Amino acid sequence: AQSVAQPEDQVNVAEGNPLTVKCTYSVSGNPYLFWYVQYPNRGLQFLLKYITGDNLVKGSYGFEAEFNKSQTSFHLKKPSALVSDSALYFCAVRVSGAGSYQLTFGKGTKLSVIP
Amino acid sequence: DGGITQSPKYLFRKEGQNVTLSCEQNLNHDAMYWYRQDPGQGLRLIYYSQIVNDFQKGDIAEGYSVSREKKESFPLTVTSAQKNPTAFYLCASSIGLAGGRTGELFFGEGSRLTVL
Repeated sequence: AQSVAQPEDQVNVAEGNPLTVKCTYSVSGNPYLFWYVQYPNRGLQFLLKYITGDNLVKGSYGFEAEFNKSQTSFHLKKPSALVSDSALYFCAVRVSGAGSYQLTFGKGTKLSVIP
Repeated sequence: DGGITQSPKYLFRKEGQNVTLSCEQNLNHDAMYWYRQDPGQGLRLIYYSQIVNDFQKGDIAEGYSVSREKKESFPLTVTSAQKNPTAFYLCASSIGLAGGRTGELFFGEGSRLTVL
């Protein structure tokens, strides 16, 4: 079984400050990890993914994420938050390989960037 | 532009009625998925399909049905057997996983179903 935990339901950060949205995962095998963003009443948009290689992954809109195998974590980060970053963020995991199509999502973290 | 189209955006249903949500993609993706989103519960997988004429149950398939007669289309029927159907429904697609592909999902804009 695979699972994702996003320990914070909400994260508040001041505009211009760095932000971190936390994610930990559990999977049997090597993980593929993803971050998505959702604005109100919209679908999810893909931000970035970790497959293999460099533990620091860069994605859309200035976001990056750091894969830590020993801590089974994949935290989302941005050096300087914008008010427009306020949204719901989802972490997701899938086991690598062609056999499993199921992508498991965390419950989401609401990010509020305060002007 | 390529993408995933869900319709209708908003739908109201009386108790005891079946309703079908449409999902069409022109990305030439092999796999398609239906997720249900409830506040504070994240996304839960209802059904997914890897190829035409084949689909598998996800974590919460009871009270739902799907078909995959064409590569581009993956409609979801919410039946009267679904006890609590009010939710936001998201359709997604991905390329096949052969050849080490990573299978990230591309989502539609969602359909909000409200049971009156």
